[in-house]
Amino acid sequence: NAGVMQNPRHLVRRRGQEARLRCSPMKGHSHVYWYRQLPEEGLKFMVYLQKENIIDESGMPKERFSAEFPKEGPSILRIQQVVRGDSAAYFCASSPSPISYEQYFGPGTRLTVT
Amino acid sequence: TQLLEQSPQFLSIQEGENLTVYCNSSSVFSSLQWYRQEPGEGPVLLVTVVTGGEVKKLKRLTFQFGDARKDSSLHITAAQPGDTGLYLCAGFTGTASKLTFGTGTRLQVTL
Repeated sequence: NAGVMQNPRHLVRRRGQEARLRCSPMKGHSHVYWYRQLPEEGLKFMVYLQKENIIDESGMPKERFSAEFPKEGPSILRIQQVVRGDSAAYFCASSPSPISYEQYFGPGTRLTVT
Repeated sequence: TQLLEQSPQFLSIQEGENLTVYCNSSSVFSSLQWYRQEPGEGPVLLVTVVTGGEVKKLKRLTFQFGDARKDSSLHITAAQPGDTGLYLCAGFTGTASKLTFGTGTRLQVTL
């Protein structure tokens, strides 16, 4: 029973490039959450998606960041024109329902902007 | 913004010692989770507590949710080197689906 999958595990981008982070939820889970962990800081919520819908994006920076969870395929977190401050670990979590108290996390994508 | 403050931030102890980690907030949480995170990995869910005053045990780990659902504690008995890691509390408020994470407690257990 595979857990939450994220790829790539490590991503290096130069300033101004685009970063695409992918997340496949656990089997049977249709709710996906993205969190960001900056160096020496805690995890911060970014966005909550269901299939084809963004439910809560209150934690997403207003510019350059977008997320989607299409009907088929993984959820994608997209960062355009990356800057050094975007360097962080990005984690995806999934749950079976919106009222489930349990979210299961993937191993994360570590983004480094040079 | 609801804040979850954890204490202590860092803890270095020897194998066999007992320890308690605290997670406090001024906000009420509908549930609270404890996670452990190892370097380079994602948080792994240890336990979920939902009812005020609830106590759950997981082998040598005991978790308690405060009566007012504003705080929680994690007690480890006879710590082992395998317990080393970053311990995170996280909670849901109301019907929100997003987790608010605590500031973290980094535990190191040495032989």
